[in-house]
Amino acid sequence: AQSVTQLDSQVPVFEEAPVELRCNYSSSVSVYLFWYVQYPNQGLQLLLKYLSGSTLVKGINGFEAEFNKSQTSFHLRKPSVHISDTAEYFCAVNTNAGKSTFGDGTTLTVKP
Amino acid sequence: DAGVTQSPTHLIKTRGQQVTLRCSPISGHKSVSWYQQVLGQGPQFIFQYYEKEERGRGNFPDRFSARQFPNYSSELNVNALLLGDSALYLCASLPRTGDPNTEAFFGQGTRLTVV
Repeated sequence: AQSVTQLDSQVPVFEEAPVELRCNYSSSVSVYLFWYVQYPNQGLQLLLKYLSGSTLVKGINGFEAEFNKSQTSFHLRKPSVHISDTAEYFCAVNTNAGKSTFGDGTTLTVKP
Repeated sequence: DAGVTQSPTHLIKTRGQQVTLRCSPISGHKSVSWYQQVLGQGPQFIFQYYEKEERGRGNFPDRFSARQFPNYSSELNVNALLLGDSALYLCASLPRTGDPNTEAFFGQGTRLTVV
């Protein structure tokens, strides 16, 4: 069985500061990891995904994530955040196309 | 190109009633997945359909059912509504199934409130 734990439910940060949103996973099979963003009253939008190969994955909007197999982590980072990055962020693991297990989300609030 | 379309956007129902939610996937996509997102939690997988056949089911009671039509659109039905069914219901569109690499494209969801 797969599970995802997002270690921080809320992360407040000032504009232009760096941010890290933490995600740990457990899986008994090969992992396919994803980060999604959800803006208020909207669906989920894919930020980036790890499939195989390089452990550093670059996504949209300046986000990147690092896959760490030994620590079973897939933390999301951005060197300088903007007000517009305020949203809910979800880490997910896929066992099959269309069947994802999500974490409970991290609310990122960027303050001016 | 149209994205994933869900209807209605908002819905209020009374306990014990039945509800039908609808989803139209991206043109050319043959698979639809449904998720329930309760306030403050991540989405939970309910069903996946591919080529009109159920390909996966999450840990939900039999009150939840779904189907996929020849045009690949899908309906999610929930009978005997409970207060706990209040949630955002998300539909995800995929071109195919089987490959965990495949990106899912989500609709904006249907907000169901049970009173």
